[in-house]
Formats: sequence, structure tokens, C-alpha cells
Amino acid sequence: DAGITQSPRHKVTETGTPVTLRCHQTENHRYMYWYRQDPGHGLRLIHYSYGVKDTDKGEVSDGYSVSRSKTEDFLLTLESATSSQTSVYFCAISESGEQFFGPGTRLTVL
Amino acid sequence: SQQGEEDPQALSIQEGENATMNCSYKTSINNLQWYRQNSGRGLVHLILIRSNEREKHSGRLRVTLDTSKKSSSLLITASRAADTASYFCATDTIIQGAQKLVFGQGTRLTINP
Repeated sequence: DAGITQSPRHKVTETGTPVTLRCHQTENHRYMYWYRQDPGHGLRLIHYSYGVKDTDKGEVSDGYSVSRSKTEDFLLTLESATSSQTSVYFCAISESGEQFFGPGTRLTVL
Repeated sequence: SQQGEEDPQALSIQEGENATMNCSYKTSINNLQWYRQNSGRGLVHLILIRSNEREKHSGRLRVTLDTSKKSSSLLITASRAADTASYFCATDTIIQGAQKLVFGQGTRLTINP
């Protein structure tokens, strides 16, 4: 599992509240990624990081921000959650051409 | 927008049979990868095929790539119940050293005992 953990694993929140998801890795990987997975859409890239404090937008970045203040942690923030952000969120790292995924966070926005 | 589109969306076969899944994509690629996802779990990398390769094998997996048709196929031979999962193709491009993957919608494979 490349030492990737995500927290929380499940969260239920209300529309308009801020939410932060955490991805933690223990193997000093430089590149980290956040995806969301929805039925009928596969996985879609939200944001990615290519180093500490270096991040960029992915395919579906609207409504999301990220931060990476240290190598091991990549945080995904929903500033004001909406029902359309109900999804399963996966963090990943890349190594030698492969991506390794965390176990996912199931987020429900009521 | 999704780069890869997979066909079929769902496939159900008997244990021991071969399973073939297809993936089409729209733009030039660096590599094409296949991943498996068991229900409720993260994705697991299966195999990577480079744009200058036409075929690659790994155990019971065989992947082909036809860049002229912008398509790839994943063949699983002698299927087992444990192969039941969703399978995704993903094309990748490298930007700032990061590997940006674009996934297809996936094929849900069910192996019946």
C-alpha cells in the first residue's frame, strides 16, 4: 500500500461547512495526488503536488484547494461543501510509473 | 472529460473462461496503464504499456496497444473468482514530473463459480 493512509475514512457533513481530508505517506514520495470517484465517471484528478508547497490543478479542481507544507502530508479542503461533492476521495503517490492508492475517504454532504 | 472509454461496462463469465476488456482514448499518450479495484478498496496497478510497445504480458494478463486506433485491450486468461473486480484503463502524461492519469469509467467483471 506504499504506506499511504487517509483520514477520516468516513465523514458526513452538512452543506456549507468546511471539510479537510488528510493524506499521509511514510516513504518520502515527491508526487502526490487527490482523485474523486463517482459512479459512471471512474476516477478524476482534483489536484496534484510535485513537491512541498508545489501544487497544481487537475481535471475537476473547482471547489477544492490543497496544501502540502511537508512531504508526508497532502491536505484536500472543501471550503464550503456542496452535495455535488459527495463522493469517494482517493489519495495516491507515484513511483516508477505506477500510482499507489490509499484506502479512500467516503464523504457525504447532506 | 474522460480520456479513456471502456467496453463493456459490465462482463459476467464463468470461472476458467477468458475475459477481454477494451479501452479507447482520444489523444496522444505517454503510457497506458490498467488498474483493478476490488469493491470498497483503492485501485491496484496491474500493468503498464508504453506507447512504443504493442503487447505486454504479466502472468495471466495480456495487454495490447494499438496507437493507430487509439485503443487497448486487457485479456485475463483462465479467470478465477478472485478476479471479480472493476478494471480501469488510464492514460498518462507527465507534467512537471508529475504523472497525470486520466481514467476510463471501468469495466465491472464478475466471475461466476
